[in-house]
Amino acid sequence: QLQLQESGPGLVKPSETLSLTCTVSGGSISSSSYYWGWIRQPPGKGLEWIGSIYYSGSTYYNPSLKSRVTISVDTSKNQFSLKLSSVTAADTAVYYCARADVMIVVVIPTPTAFDIWGQGTMVTVSS
Amino acid sequence: EIVMTQSPATLSVSPGERATLSCRASQSVSSNLAWYQQKPGQAPRLLIYGASTRATGIPARFSGSGSGTEFTLTISSLQSEDFAVYYCQQYNNWPPRTFGQGTKVEIK
Repeated sequence: QLQLQESGPGLVKPSETLSLTCTVSGGSISSSSYYWGWIRQPPGKGLEWIGSIYYSGSTYYNPSLKSRVTISVDTSKNQFSLKLSSVTAADTAVYYCARADVMIVVVIPTPTAFDIWGQGTMVTVSS
Repeated sequence: EIVMTQSPATLSVSPGERATLSCRASQSVSSNLAWYQQKPGQAPRLLIYGASTRATGIPARFSGSGSGTEFTLTISSLQSEDFAVYYCQQYNNWPPRTFGQGTKVEIK
């Protein structure tokens, strides 16, 4: 049974870089059948898609965060990671990693719904 | 960017009654629409994808319908464990993938 687990600091100072890792267990991150993504949820608010990565390394980011976000994959460790730079209090949220099935759109693999989620990790931006 | 609008924001329903939740897209997303359920302190859980296909293990009382810009999630007979927040999400256009703001289903 596939499981995802987020890890990383729970407290980040303003202007610094938030770094989180998602470890995939019970399955391979190198499968061509899935995308891997990051979603966040500020306290008491809704869900915001941050970005997604394919096992090949192809990445797609939310335009609202694109200048500050980097998502990478380490197939040797079965992990993918999120880096968000120049954080402010507005980046305080629960951060989830998740898996999405793939559909082919005009020969391009594209993620569908997020069917498996990690439990989430709370990250607070504060000095 | 496709904007997803859910209504109502809060739905008060008695156990055993039917709940109908709506999701509207600012432009057509075909049938590339998912519904999630989120309980307090938990990650979202996929209920419906492809607008109407139940995910693995989801009870038959949950059903989805619609295409294009108008979608509905129906819970035929609310159980105590169904009181939660429900989100729709489009995966037709990106970036970005976008979620609705959520509908909270509470006990009447």
